[in-house]
Amino acid sequence: ELKVEQNPLFLSMQEGKNYTIYCNYSTTSDRLYWYRQDPGKSLESLFVLLSNGAVKQEGRLMASLDTKARLSTLHITAAVHDLSATYFCAVESNNNDMRFGAGTRLTVKP
Amino acid sequence: DAGVIQSPRHEVTEMGQEVTLRCKPISGHNSLFWYRQTMMRGLELLIYFNNNVPIDDSGMPEDRFSAKMPNASFSTLKIQPSEPRDSAVYFCASSRTGFSTDTQYFGPGTRLTVL
Repeated sequence: ELKVEQNPLFLSMQEGKNYTIYCNYSTTSDRLYWYRQDPGKSLESLFVLLSNGAVKQEGRLMASLDTKARLSTLHITAAVHDLSATYFCAVESNNNDMRFGAGTRLTVKP
Repeated sequence: DAGVIQSPRHEVTEMGQEVTLRCKPISGHNSLFWYRQTMMRGLELLIYFNNNVPIDDSGMPEDRFSAKMPNASFSTLKIQPSEPRDSAVYFCASSRTGFSTDTQYFGPGTRLTVL
């Protein structure tokens, strides 16, 4: 069964600092997705990563995928308060099973 | 564009009742997804459609759940009979071409409470 593990689950950062969220998964896959959810709100699709070595960047967020290590990272550069949210990764296995990570609740403090 | 529209936004019902959740995808989008979010189980993909055809319903919890997409602009998720453990936020999302290649756009969700 496909398992997806995110860490950390909770992250408190100072504005201006950098940090990385990790998403590990248990089975072969080359399709990984990152989402953002603000408290009490719906989800927003951030990144779609479709191959080994894929890297995508949007503003202060950069996501990468290493299919050999079964690992994706979401790197935050020079955090600002507006980035405070919960971030989810989701993995689609090669037999079309899809699982979400538990989410990382990010708080950026001034 | 109005985005993905879901109704109702909130639903409170009693155990054993039938519940129908509705979703209107973004016009021109060919894929539609139903998700469920609970504190205990997190986010789960229930089912997704491509060109109105169910592609993968392996996430549907049990026979009490059914989903239909009679045309490109409307989908329903029905729970019959409902149980307290079905209480969750149900999200609908749509995309132009499908999971692997395209961004999904989510509706605001329906918060279901089964008493």
